[in-house]
Amino acid sequence: GEDVEQSLFLSVREGDSSVINCTYTDSSSTYLYWYKQEPGAGLQLLTYIFSNMDMKQDQRLTVLLNKKDKHLSLRIADTQTGDSAIYFCAESENTPLVFGKGTRLSVIA
Amino acid sequence: NAGVTQTPKFRVLKTGQSMTLLCAQDMNHEYMYWYRQDPGMGLRLIHYSVGEGTTAKGEVPDGYNVSRLKKQNFLLGLESAAPSQTSVYFCASIGGENYGYTFGSGTRLTVV
Repeated sequence: GEDVEQSLFLSVREGDSSVINCTYTDSSSTYLYWYKQEPGAGLQLLTYIFSNMDMKQDQRLTVLLNKKDKHLSLRIADTQTGDSAIYFCAESENTPLVFGKGTRLSVIA
Repeated sequence: NAGVTQTPKFRVLKTGQSMTLLCAQDMNHEYMYWYRQDPGMGLRLIHYSVGEGTTAKGEVPDGYNVSRLKKQNFLLGLESAAPSQTSVYFCASIGGENYGYTFGSGTRLTVV
C-alpha cells in the first residue's frame, strides 16, 4: 500500500533555515502537500506541489520534489518561533490522502 | 465563516457509553473524512464518504459507524466506547483545484 515517511523531530535556531524531508511510495501521486498543525488545532494546508513540478516557492517556503527518488522537502527560510508546529507531508493519486506521521519542529530562540 | 465545524470540542465518556460526533461543512464539498490522531501514530483514517448517502471504511473502522444523510453533515458514532478510543478526532472535507483537505479543529475524546 501507499506509505509516507518523515523524521519525527527537528530542532533549529531562530533565524536559521529548516528543512523537513519526506519520502513516499506511490509514484502516481498527482499532488503532494505540506500541512501545518499548531498545538491544539487542526491541520492547515501550508502549500502543495503538482507532480509535474520540481520546485515551488511561496514567500519563506520552498518545496522541492524529486520524483525519481520519491522525495519531497519543505524548506522554511528565516525560521521564527511561530513556525514551531508539527508538519505533515501527504500525497494523493486519488482520495483519501495518505499522511506521514508528522515532523515536530522546535524553534529555539 | 466557511469551513468545517466539529461538535463537541471536548468530551469525557465512560466505558460502554455511546456518542455521536458531528461534522458540518458549508463549502458544498462532496468528499468528507474522519481521522483519529494519536501520539506517534499520525493521522489514521476511520471512515470516509464520497457523497451524500455513501460511506466507506478506512484504515481503522472497528468500533465506529458513520452516516452521511445530508451532503453537508458527516456523523461519527461510537456505539460502546472503549479506552482505546481515547483520541483526538478530526473531520475533513475536500475541495478546490488542488484537492487539498479543509480540516475541522478537532474533538478531544477521553474514555475512562
